Parts: sequence; C-alpha cells; structure tokens
Amino acid sequence: GAVVSQHPSRVICKSGTSVKIECRSLDFQATTMFWYRQFPKQSLMLMATSNEGSKATYEQGVEKDKFLINHASLTLSTLTVTSAHPEDSSFYICSARAGGRAYEKLFFGSGTQLSVL
Amino acid sequence: AQSVTQLDSQVPVFEEAPVELRCNYSSSVSVYLFWYVQYPNQGLQLLLKYLSGSTLVKGINGFEAEFNKSQTSFHLRKPSVHISDTAEYFCAVAPYNTDKLIFGTGTRLQVFP
Repeated sequence: GAVVSQHPSRVICKSGTSVKIECRSLDFQATTMFWYRQFPKQSLMLMATSNEGSKATYEQGVEKDKFLINHASLTLSTLTVTSAHPEDSSFYICSARAGGRAYEKLFFGSGTQLSVL
Repeated sequence: AQSVTQLDSQVPVFEEAPVELRCNYSSSVSVYLFWYVQYPNQGLQLLLKYLSGSTLVKGINGFEAEFNKSQTSFHLRKPSVHISDTAEYFCAVAPYNTDKLIFGTGTRLQVFP
C-alpha cells in the first residue's frame, strides 16, 4: 500500500529554536497534505491543509507564522515550528491524499513527538 | 460543528474474546464515518468506512461496525480478537460538505494471552 514517511519520529529542542518536520509520500504524488496535532489523551486536531504550489490553509486558532508549512513538491511537505516553546510540545502527524476526497485515499505518517525544553 | 466521543480510553481483553469499541458523534449535518487503527510506531490505517447503503460495514482484519443513525453511534466490533489486534483505534467523521476528518480521542485495545 501507499507509504507516507514522516521524519524525525522524535525531536527534543531548546525553547526558542525552530524545528522542521518532513512528510514525504514515497510511492505516489500527493496534491494535498494535512497536518494534525495531538495532545495526550486528546483527539487529532487538524492544523492546516497544504496544496502543492500554493499557500497552506490554516484552521481557526492555529498561528500561521508559528507553524510554517511548505508544500514545494508533489511528494514533500514540511512543517516548521518557529521559536518553539514548551507549550508546543505535542505529537504531530501528517497525512497525504492520493487524489479524490480526503477520506478516500488518505495515508498517514507515523508521527513526530516534539518535546521543547 | 461536529464532535466524536470514544467512551473508553482503554479496553483490556483476553485473546479470542469478543470486543466492542464505542464511538458516538454529534453533527448538525450528515457525515461519513470511519475507523482507523494505529499500530505501534506506524501511521494510521483505514479499518473501515461508512459512506452509504447497508449500515453494517465490514473492514479489514475481521472488524465490522454498525452505523446507528438514531443513536448517532458507530461502534466497532470483532467476535474474536488476536494478540496482533493490540493497537490504538480512532473513530472519525467527515461532514458531507467539507473535506476534513474529525477524530475522537482514541481507544487503546490491549489483548492479553
């Protein structure tokens, strides 16, 4: 089946630094990628939707200047957490859509655990 | 607005026993319904989905779910679980008029020998 690779799986950084998370579709072209965030014991919350070659669409309450999303190619989207603070510590998951509606051909990465000290 | 409630955060069960993972949703519009499974260190995988038609939906690995519109539920069931079913299970809805998935908080199924 289709594979989405997310890297790194775990990152620890100091407060004030920036962290980049990569999401790659390995065997298909993803016109749309989604970024989710999950706090412990809470549901996955959609942060933003990115389409290749255009600006990402952010959900209400998500700071676009803090969470920079770049979808430069049909196989790669990146999420950069800028000037990270401890409250940004969370589990981040990407997903990539191989055409159709979001739920029809949607494949998920294995997630990135971000810990900000 | 939509919301998804998974009533049990953890479900321990012995191997070969039946299991039901509960999911209820709230929505002012019609929705499609899904169950995803996440095995350790892997991404979420689609188990099954309800789009229309028969309210009993069969998925992979012997799982099935039944859509109950009056109770706004979409409970997941398996008649006999295996150790390999140990994973996190997420219920999700997608409103007809949007392109987004809304997830529940997940249920950890732990199967003991």
